[in-house]
Amino acid sequence: EDQVTQSPEALRLQEGESSSLNCSYTVSGLRGLFWYRQDPGKGPEFLFTLYSAGEEKEKERLKATLTKKESFLHITAPKPEDSATYLCAVPYSGAGSYQLTFGKGTKLSVIP
Amino acid sequence: GAVVSQHPSRVICKSGTSVKIECRSLDFQATTMFWYRQFPKQSLMLMATSNEGSKATYEQGVEKDKFLINHASLTLSTLTVTSAHPEDSSFYICSARGDSGSPLHFGNGTRLTVT
Repeated sequence: EDQVTQSPEALRLQEGESSSLNCSYTVSGLRGLFWYRQDPGKGPEFLFTLYSAGEEKEKERLKATLTKKESFLHITAPKPEDSATYLCAVPYSGAGSYQLTFGKGTKLSVIP
Repeated sequence: GAVVSQHPSRVICKSGTSVKIECRSLDFQATTMFWYRQFPKQSLMLMATSNEGSKATYEQGVEKDKFLINHASLTLSTLTVTSAHPEDSSFYICSARGDSGSPLHFGNGTRLTVT
């Protein structure tokens, strides 16, 4: 059974305090790992797609990395506006590349 | 970038009535759209894949007669929750992708409350 597990469930940081979020996955034949940001009452907003181990992508204060078993979302010097729930997702095994199974997310709170 | 619009954003209905939720791709054509459901503090769960001009494909455990999906055009998919019950109260989110290789983009969701 495909599984995506995110940790921690919640993370509270002081503004400027860097940290990392983890996404571990068990799926045969990974066809991409996706990171999304979700604000309360909103749909997920696309951040990154990673396809192969060793790949890295950056956007402003965020950097996503991928290994064969997990992905990390590094947040450098976060600001309060980075507060959100961060979701990772992978395509279902045997399904198309866009039927995604999601983790439960990490709720990030950045305190001024 | 690709924009997916969902309407309404919130709806309250009485038990036993039906509710229709619309999902539109505003600046691209989407032959395939996806409907997800999210309970509080839970992950998004894929309900069904909506294919333009053909029947939707439902995930295991999702009642196709209760959650009617219609994808009549390349820019519009609708989800109708029929004979709604309080346990159907949830956050429903649609998604679509643009060109090949582009990621999934999500609408802003519909908060359904059944009283």
